[in-house]
Amino acid sequence: GQQLNQSPQSMFIQEGEDVSMNCTSSSIFNTWLWYKQDPGEGPVLLIALYKAGELTSNGRLTAQFGITRKDSFLNISASIPSDVGIYFCAGPEGGGYQKVTFGTGTKLQVIP
Amino acid sequence: NAGVTQTPKFRILKIGQSMTLQCTQDMNHNYMYWYRQDPGMGLKLIYYSVGAGITDKGEVPNGYNVSRSTTEDFPLRLELAAPSQTSVYFCASSYPLSGELFFGEGSRLTVL
Repeated sequence: GQQLNQSPQSMFIQEGEDVSMNCTSSSIFNTWLWYKQDPGEGPVLLIALYKAGELTSNGRLTAQFGITRKDSFLNISASIPSDVGIYFCAGPEGGGYQKVTFGTGTKLQVIP
Repeated sequence: NAGVTQTPKFRILKIGQSMTLQCTQDMNHNYMYWYRQDPGMGLKLIYYSVGAGITDKGEVPNGYNVSRSTTEDFPLRLELAAPSQTSVYFCASSYPLSGELFFGEGSRLTVL
């Protein structure tokens, strides 16, 4: 199956700082998804991207669909303590999006 | 609105025992999924289903079985539990052509 590699694997930042993380694939994706997993819970969708080059925001979060269609980026501005969690990129495979592959995750810790 | 409900939340099994993780959703979603998440790792797809009576293997199906007799339910069966199956199991559901998966709270399984 397709593999999605995320970097960095983990990061510690000060509250108020901006954060950048990325996701790369060995294959082309037609849709990129970014999820967040709070401790002890299941992931929740943050942003969905459907077109190469697309830039989409959700509050302080901004994600981009790479023009090669093999990568995507997530930025968080002015981080706050509740941003703590694991961020996953994901991509659906198959014409009907039957299989959704998740990346390796980026664990974010925010120091107040 | 319950969403995706998983039971049990916690379980300890002895090596060689069998059990079923239950998953039910009340959103009338066609697609359902089972993922496992090992400590500090990403989500790996075990099995998925695009509708009642239709199931297919994901990335890590060995040691597991599933069935989908109704739209609402998608149980995951572990036969002959092994320590390597110690993990947190997440069930999720979605509409077709949507990458937005709705996850349950997870079932934490320990095999000793």
